[in-house]
Amino acid sequence: QVQLVQSGAEVKKPGASVEVSCKASGYTFTNYYIHWVRQAPGQGLEWMGIINCNGGTTAYAQKFRGRVTMTRDTSTSTVYMELSSLNSEDTAVYYCARSSGWNVFDDWGQGTLVTVSS
Amino acid sequence: QTVVTQEPSLTVSPGGTVTLTCASSTGAVTSGYYPNWFQRKPGQAPRTLIYTTSNRHSWTPARFSGSLLGGKAALTLSGVQPEDEAEYYCLLYYGGAQVFGGGTKLTVL
Repeated sequence: QVQLVQSGAEVKKPGASVEVSCKASGYTFTNYYIHWVRQAPGQGLEWMGIINCNGGTTAYAQKFRGRVTMTRDTSTSTVYMELSSLNSEDTAVYYCARSSGWNVFDDWGQGTLVTVSS
Repeated sequence: QTVVTQEPSLTVSPGGTVTLTCASSTGAVTSGYYPNWFQRKPGQAPRTLIYTTSNRHSWTPARFSGSLLGGKAALTLSGVQPEDEAEYYCLLYYGGAQVFGGGTKLTVL
C-alpha cells in the first residue's frame, strides 16, 4: 500500500534552516508529484509547493520563494523540503502529500512538527 | 493576492444534508481550477475526499459529493454521520500555484 513516512519532529532557533523528509513506498515514485503543505497552530492549511518526482522540477508558492527548496532522491524514493531563515511564524506541522499530475491529490504523510523557538 | 473563501463554520443534524462552498476572489470557480476537498480531524493528517471537482477516492464514503454550484466549488454531505464532524478544506489551482480555502468547521449536533 502507498505510504509516505515523514521524518521526526524538529526544534530550531530563529534564523536556522530545517529539512523535512518524506519517504515514499508502495508505488512507482517517479510517476507522481509531491506537495508540501503546512498548518500553523490555530491556522488553516497552507500550500507551499510541489516537486515532480520524475524530472525534479519544482514550483513554489510566492510566499516561500527564496526560502524553500524541494528536492528528491530517486534512489531512495525520498523527497526533501528545506526551509531557511526560520522565524516563530514557521512553527507548524508540515505535511507531504502525493498527487498524480498537479491536481489529483490522494495520500498524505503523517506530518512533522517543526518548532521555532529561541 | 488570491483569496479562497469558505464558510467558517456550519452546523448540521445527524442524518441531514449540508453543502460547503469554496469561492475564488478571481471570479467564478470552474473545472479548470481542479477543486480538491480534504477532511481534517484533530490530531490526524488531512484526508483527500474529492479530486478534480467531483471524483471520489476509493475510501471516500458515497455520502460525500463534489460539484460546481453558482460559481463556486461545493462539497455536499448527505445523510451526515457523527464522525463527519471535522474541518473541511478546499484547494484550487491557479496555473502553477495552489491555494487553500480558510476551512469550514462542521459541527454535527
